[in-house]
Parts: sequence; structure tokens; C-alpha cells
Amino acid sequence: QQQVKQSPQSLIVQKGGISIINCAYENTAFDYFPWYQQFPGKGPALLIAIRPDVSEKKEGRFTISFNKSAKQFSLHIMDSQPGDSATYFCAASISVGNEKLTFGTGTRLTIIP
Amino acid sequence: SQTIHQWPATLVQPVGSPLSLECTVEGTSNPNLYWYRQAAGRGLQLLFYSIGIDQISSEVPQNLSASRPQDRQFILSSKKLLLSDSGFYLCAWSVRAGTGNTIYFGEGSWLTVV
Repeated sequence: QQQVKQSPQSLIVQKGGISIINCAYENTAFDYFPWYQQFPGKGPALLIAIRPDVSEKKEGRFTISFNKSAKQFSLHIMDSQPGDSATYFCAASISVGNEKLTFGTGTRLTIIP
Repeated sequence: SQTIHQWPATLVQPVGSPLSLECTVEGTSNPNLYWYRQAAGRGLQLLFYSIGIDQISSEVPQNLSASRPQDRQFILSSKKLLLSDSGFYLCAWSVRAGTGNTIYFGEGSWLTVV
């Protein structure tokens, strides 16, 4: 199975709160897990990515947590800001060769004041 | 640095008319190229994937076709548009192999079929 399941579909978080988006995968051969951020009317842009040799990666307010045994990974946005309001996509692929990224279905995040 | 250009940015076309969306990548050689479609409020649907000139895989049966006449040029076409072809079309590229297959997207083209 090549699916990546993403939840929730939409999320509303108060400014300053923590936004958490979850993804689960089935293919144990996946070894590259990026997150993309998409603003309305724009193409998605790479936000942060992780490989399964680490359980966590942090870049500024954005953190990926990775649980290899559970085949799950999540994006945490600390101190969420209105500028973080966007659609977020998780993805997974096998990094060797020409394997395509498999995307989740996206989460529309809204940060309210 | 690498850049990706996609045009036109917006397009309103009548049903039954032809379509041509163009995409070029600069600053890299032998990229993998992709066309995605995103319906309003929906996820990313991979339409076509190319690993080289004249090497194009179609991911879903549809009313569209793709061509790659040059290494860094990717074209999405249709002979006769359907209402269901409306959506946000994204061209993207990635390094050929071995670096995690990060995909870099263009700015997208909004297509409205009326």
C-alpha cells in the first residue's frame, strides 16, 4: 500500500497555541517524510522534512515527531500565528531511485486571534 | 539556484476548447517533472510524471496529455476541455534520484472551464 493518511481535515487553533497534524503510512520502505505548506492560490512549498533515523526534527516553531514502530509522524507548530494559516500536506517516499512522493490529503489550518 | 516557471497563471476556457499549459525549469539538468491537479479545497492528484524526454507516465486516465519536448520543458494539453477539467494545475520538479525526492512546485495555473 502506498497510502499516507492525514488528519484532521481542518483545524482551528487560537493564536499562541500548538497546532498538531498527524499522518500515518503503511509502506515500511518509506524513508523520507516531508511536510509542505500551501497558501491560497500558491503552489505548496517544502516546510520541513525528516528521515527515520531520528525521532524528532525541529526548525524554529515547526517540529516533526516520528514514530517508526507506529508508522506515524506529526507536525507540531508551536506558538501558532495567524500567518501560519494555510493548508499543510504530509508526504512520504522511498529516497533511492525515482520513487514519487505520496501525499496526504491535506489539513486546512486556521489560526484565530 | 533553480527556478520553475509556469504559465498562464489563470485561464478561462469554454467546454470543448483546447488547452496548453507550459512549464520550464531553470538551473538544473535532467529533472523529474510532474503535473498535479488540485480541485478546490482538495488534495494533490498526480496526473503525469516524467523522468526524461519522451518518457512520461500517466497516473490516471483522463482527458489530458503531457509532452516533454525538451529536458526542462513540460507541457500539459487537452484537445477538448470538459467542465470537470477545472482546477488548479501545478507543475513541479525534483532532482533525478538519491536526494529524498523533494518536490519543488511552481506557482500554479488556475483553469476554469465554462
